[in-house]
Amino acid sequence: EPEVTQTPSHQVTQMGQEVILRCVPISNHLYFYWYRQILGQKVEFLVSFYNNEISEKSEIFDDQFSVERPDGSNFTLKIRSTKLEDSAMYFCASSRRAGGLDEQYFGPGTRLTVT
Amino acid sequence: QKEVEQNSGPLSVPEGAIASLNCTYSDRVSQSFFWYRQYSGKSPELIMSIYSNGDKEDGRFTAQLNKASQYVSLLIRDSQPSDSATYLCAVNSSGGSNYKLTFGKGTLLTVNP
Repeated sequence: EPEVTQTPSHQVTQMGQEVILRCVPISNHLYFYWYRQILGQKVEFLVSFYNNEISEKSEIFDDQFSVERPDGSNFTLKIRSTKLEDSAMYFCASSRRAGGLDEQYFGPGTRLTVT
Repeated sequence: QKEVEQNSGPLSVPEGAIASLNCTYSDRVSQSFFWYRQYSGKSPELIMSIYSNGDKEDGRFTAQLNKASQYVSLLIRDSQPSDSATYLCAVNSSGGSNYKLTFGKGTLLTVNP
């Protein structure tokens, strides 16, 4: 069964450093998403991406964040200058159609720890 | 601020019983509703989707939707210890956006052997 994959599973970085989180969505899916979950809190939407452009982004997704689909399979989230409060689980998800009308499938996540 | 509300629990049921999980949402234009299961330290796993009023059954799971009451529920029949997890209710975004899900905080379910 196809699944979303993410690398790395755990990333430790120092405050102010740049990190890139990587995702490979399900192959026939067209819509891609990033969510995050701070420990003990709810899953929060960051950004959605379709046809090589951002469809929607949340207030969390400020200028420190960017997304890219560098090739036909990978989807990346970059945080330019990490802050302590960026420590969280980051989940990539994908869907065949627009997220409100179709099911989103989540990857296993990347645990980001900023020290 | 559009919200999805769930009782945080924990909800404790004996093995073999029916577990009932509830969710309310504030945005009347929401169209799609999803239940995810999340084990501790893991990612959300999709269990059910429901788009129209009424019941939808899939194995031991039944999702119920009442748009007039802005209420969606999940019933788990013949609960098993392996069902012990946090159950997340998710709703398609407010304002008619089709591009994101808004999650509740989740209900922790414990099934006791």
